Amino acid sequence: DAGVIQSPRHEVTEMGQEVTLRCKPISGHDYLFWYRQTMMRGLELLIYFNNNVPIDDSGMPEDRFSAKMPNASFSTLKIQPSEPRDSAVYFCASSFGGTTYEQYFGPGTRLTVT
Amino acid sequence: AQTVTQSQPEMSVQEAETVTLSCTYDTSESDYYLFWYKQPPSRQMILVIRQEAYKQQNATENRFSVNFQKAAKSFSLKISDSQLGDAAMYFCAYRSPNYGGSQGNLIFGKGTKLSVKP
Repeated sequence: DAGVIQSPRHEVTEMGQEVTLRCKPISGHDYLFWYRQTMMRGLELLIYFNNNVPIDDSGMPEDRFSAKMPNASFSTLKIQPSEPRDSAVYFCASSFGGTTYEQYFGPGTRLTVT
Repeated sequence: AQTVTQSQPEMSVQEAETVTLSCTYDTSESDYYLFWYKQPPSRQMILVIRQEAYKQQNATENRFSVNFQKAAKSFSLKISDSQLGDAAMYFCAYRSPNYGGSQGNLIFGKGTKLSVKP
């Protein structure tokens, strides 16, 4: 199994630009989570999906952030327009909501907004 | 709301020695899951070990074991025979058993940075 795949691994963009982060969960997993990691706030949940449906987006900081999951094997997190304070590492994680509860993380995308 | 506290921002251990990382949590739930994740410099979050609250037996995975004290709401990680590759940030995390509402996500502590001296 390839694990959770995220792209790009690094993204540098200028303030005001649109940024799209991508995630492919582990095949068969029915939950997908987007987390953000910063020095100040640590790891925090942004949004999560169950069977492609958003369940809780209360962690999405502003309307500039949006996430979609058009099918079971793909999700995007979009920031438009981006701001310097969005600089962070963004993780995607997936899990199977049956009998196991572990979440498996992707390698993360390090976003730098200048 | 549940909270997770790791009171040791940094720890250091000599290679081949044993080290214990502390974690406490606050919850009103009786059933839940606890995890330890490792984040090396590569920043990949790696699951180390998990514990179900309804199990009294402490979880063990090779050199990693936990001391789960439910009444005290304590969940420490013990690393035996420490190796250089164990150097990383370690995060304690809590998860409710239900996926309804906002209970599906992991709640993380701030982490403990472990250094291993050769």
